[in-house]
Amino acid sequence: EAGVTQFPSHSVIEKGQTVTLRCDPISGHDNLYWYRRVMGKEIKFLLHFVKESKQDESGMPNNRFLAERTGGTYSTLKVQPAELEDSGVYFCASSLRQGEGYTFGSGTRLTVV
Amino acid sequence: AQKVTQAQTEISVVEKEDVTLDCVYETRDTTYYLFWYKQPPSGELVFLIRRNSFDEQNEISGRYSWNFQKSTSSFNFTITASQVVDSAVYFCALSNLSWGKLQFGAGTQVVVTP
Repeated sequence: EAGVTQFPSHSVIEKGQTVTLRCDPISGHDNLYWYRRVMGKEIKFLLHFVKESKQDESGMPNNRFLAERTGGTYSTLKVQPAELEDSGVYFCASSLRQGEGYTFGSGTRLTVV
Repeated sequence: AQKVTQAQTEISVVEKEDVTLDCVYETRDTTYYLFWYKQPPSGELVFLIRRNSFDEQNEISGRYSWNFQKSTSSFNFTITASQVVDSAVYFCALSNLSWGKLQFGAGTQVVVTP
């Protein structure tokens, strides 16, 4: 079974540009989570999808971040326009059902210069 | 509000030494769950353990052991006889649900040299 896959693994963009991160959860997993680790600090929750619906988006930092999960399969996280403080590692995780253990991907390292 | 503190930023040891990672948490919930994850150089977060607040028994899994003490709000992790492959960042996390939103600590980088 394939794990959680994230694209790209690394991205370097200039301040003001747009970047889209993608997460492919484990097939059949309804729950999808986004987290990020900024500047070597703690990993912080961003949001949680159940299928295509946003269950909890309390961790989204501001309106420059837009997460989607069309069709309840893969998810994208768009940052527009990117700022320097958005640099960090963005993790995605998925689980079959809420309340069950979830599997993380390897993350996307985003560098905004 | 929940909070997880991992005061040790980096720990360096020589192979075969023991290393203990500290984790102190804050929560007002009576039921909660504590986790440890490992992030090796390859980047993915690897689940190590989950413990609920009602189970204070210490746990051992191979060279890994965990000491949960509610009295001091700590959930410490010890690697016995460390190996180079143990080099990684280790994160402690807290959730008020069995597998809910996780509140992570800042992580501790463990460097094991031969």
